[in-house]
Amino acid sequence: QKEVEQDPGPLSVPEGAIVSLNCTYSNSAFQYFMWYRQYSRKGPELLMYTYSSGNKEDGRFTAQVDKSSKYISLFIRDSQPSDSATYLCAMSENSGYALNFGKGTSLLVTP
Amino acid sequence: SAVISQKPSRDICQRGTSLTIQCQVDSQVTMMFWYRQQPGQSLTLIATANQGSEATYESGFVIDKFPISRPNLTFSTLTVSNMSPEDSSIYLCSVYGTSDYEQYFGPGTRLTVT
Repeated sequence: QKEVEQDPGPLSVPEGAIVSLNCTYSNSAFQYFMWYRQYSRKGPELLMYTYSSGNKEDGRFTAQVDKSSKYISLFIRDSQPSDSATYLCAMSENSGYALNFGKGTSLLVTP
Repeated sequence: SAVISQKPSRDICQRGTSLTIQCQVDSQVTMMFWYRQQPGQSLTLIATANQGSEATYESGFVIDKFPISRPNLTFSTLTVSNMSPEDSSIYLCSVYGTSDYEQYFGPGTRLTVT
């Protein structure tokens, strides 16, 4: 079993929809959780990070961590065509360490 | 944040040859990470490179195949040696910024081995 599982999609939604992206993990020692956005032929771009359980909001993006369920989510409100990209979840046991990634979910927001 | 550049951005190489990928960061950092992103797969850590010491390799990756140099706090190279088509992948370097919570990635090097 891989440590981090993420549905690769593709996920297609109309512009303005709320998008929910999710990852599950098996290592209960993970404490730091990140979401990256990766456009085609570009490197991953850090969107948000959270520590331990709870919610964090940044503009149209909300990250949620439920450590009891080993489940993290990224919500995108009022989705835009420019949000079309692959979204990668990543996590680590300690700050400053290398990350464990999911495979990424491909998102397409149609006008 | 940290600004990272990589060279080359892409290359097509023949089986059996080697390619050296360069990673340059705009600030001094202690650790640099090298990842591989194969089609349809997760980013996988190859090794962690600290300045002044040998790189630490993950299971499945060996120094003879992926030698790494780290001559100073802003630069590192990864060499992919004796390449085979299975090495076709995107290679990415990354660093943490001023915060240990935010890891930044370079644009990647897209390697195709024929």
